This record gives sequence, structure tokens and C-alpha cells, in this order.
Amino acid sequence: QKEVEQNSGPLSVPEGAIASLNCTYSDRVSQSFFWYRQYSGKSPELIMSIYSNGDKEDGRFTAQLNKASQYVSLLIRDSQPSDSATYLCAEAPGGSQGNLIFGKGTKLSVKP
Amino acid sequence: DGGITQSPKYLFRKEGQNVTLSCEQNLNHDAMYWYRQDPGQGLRLIYYSQIVNDFQKGDIAEGYSVSREKKESFPLTVTSAQKNPTAFYLCASSRLNQPQHFGDGTRLSIL
Repeated sequence: QKEVEQNSGPLSVPEGAIASLNCTYSDRVSQSFFWYRQYSGKSPELIMSIYSNGDKEDGRFTAQLNKASQYVSLLIRDSQPSDSATYLCAEAPGGSQGNLIFGKGTKLSVKP
Repeated sequence: DGGITQSPKYLFRKEGQNVTLSCEQNLNHDAMYWYRQDPGQGLRLIYYSQIVNDFQKGDIAEGYSVSREKKESFPLTVTSAQKNPTAFYLCASSRLNQPQHFGDGTRLSIL
């Protein structure tokens, strides 16, 4: 059974701090990884995708992928109260034709 | 505006009733997906379709049916065989092997 594991949280950080969200996956041949943000009562919104080892930066967001350790993370710099949401990690397992396996999400709370 | 439209936003099902959730996209995406989300849970795949007139079962297809007669449309029917239908239903679409984007979702409850 292919799985994506996330700490459910809640993760609480003060405004302006760095929030670090982590995710592990079981499928060694997975090629693509995604981070979605989901506000309470809303649908998920894609914020980052990463396909190769290393870091990928987009504004205040940095995704990090380590395929050897089967680990993907999301860093949010200068966290804002508006970043408070549940963050879903997803992978596209090898040969999945685009189907995604989602983790259960980590709830982030940024305190003013 | 380009996007994915789900309707209705809220839906109530009576005992023994089939209900159909609509999903339309004007992004010219080939692939469309249906997910179910229960409180505090991740998304679970119900059905997906890569091309018109073809679709595949996901992890929790029992009690659901779909059709893909047009590229833009991928309706989901929740049948009376689905004994626990209360959930948040999300439709997504994508170009093949590209990230998925979601509609606003439909909340289904039992009367």
C-alpha cells in the first residue's frame, strides 16, 4: 500500500517565523510531489510542485525533496496569519498516470 | 473565466436516492478526477478519466458511478449503494502528467 505520511499537527508558529512542514512517502519510484493549501471549508489550492532532488523556491515558499530518504518538506518564511491552513502533501507514484496519493494534511496556525 | 465548476455547493440525499454531482471545466484539460474528503482526512480517489468515453476506478469506487461523454464534463452519481455518502466531494482536472487543480467542492449530507 503506497502511503504519504504527515504529522497532523496543529503546528503553531509566531508571525514572522519559519514554518516547516514535513512529509514522507513509501513509493521509491515516485517522480512528482505537490503541496496544496486548504483553508477551512474550502478546496485545496496548489502552491508548489517539485520533481527533482534539492530545493525549489517560489516567493516565501521553499519545497525540498530528498528521494534517497523519501522525504519532502515545505518551508514558509516570514509566516503570516493568512498562512493558517491545512497543508496537504501529495505524490504521483511511478506509473500512476497522474493519479495522486494524498497525506492527511498538517494544520498550521500562525499566531499574530 | 477559465476554471472548474462544481454544482451544487450543498446537496442532501434521502434514503434510497441516487444523486448526481456536476463537474465542468473549460481549461481544455484531458484528465478529470473525483475525490472524497472526510473530516480530518486526506483526499481519497473515487474515479478518474484520462480521455473521453473512458474512466477508471480509484481506491473507493464502490457505490459511485461516472460518465465522460464530453471532455468538459465528468459527473459523479452517488448511488443508494453508498451507505455512508456524507462527505466533501472534490473534482479536479489536469493536463496529462501535470498538477491537478480543484473545483470548489460539493458538500453532500443525508436527510
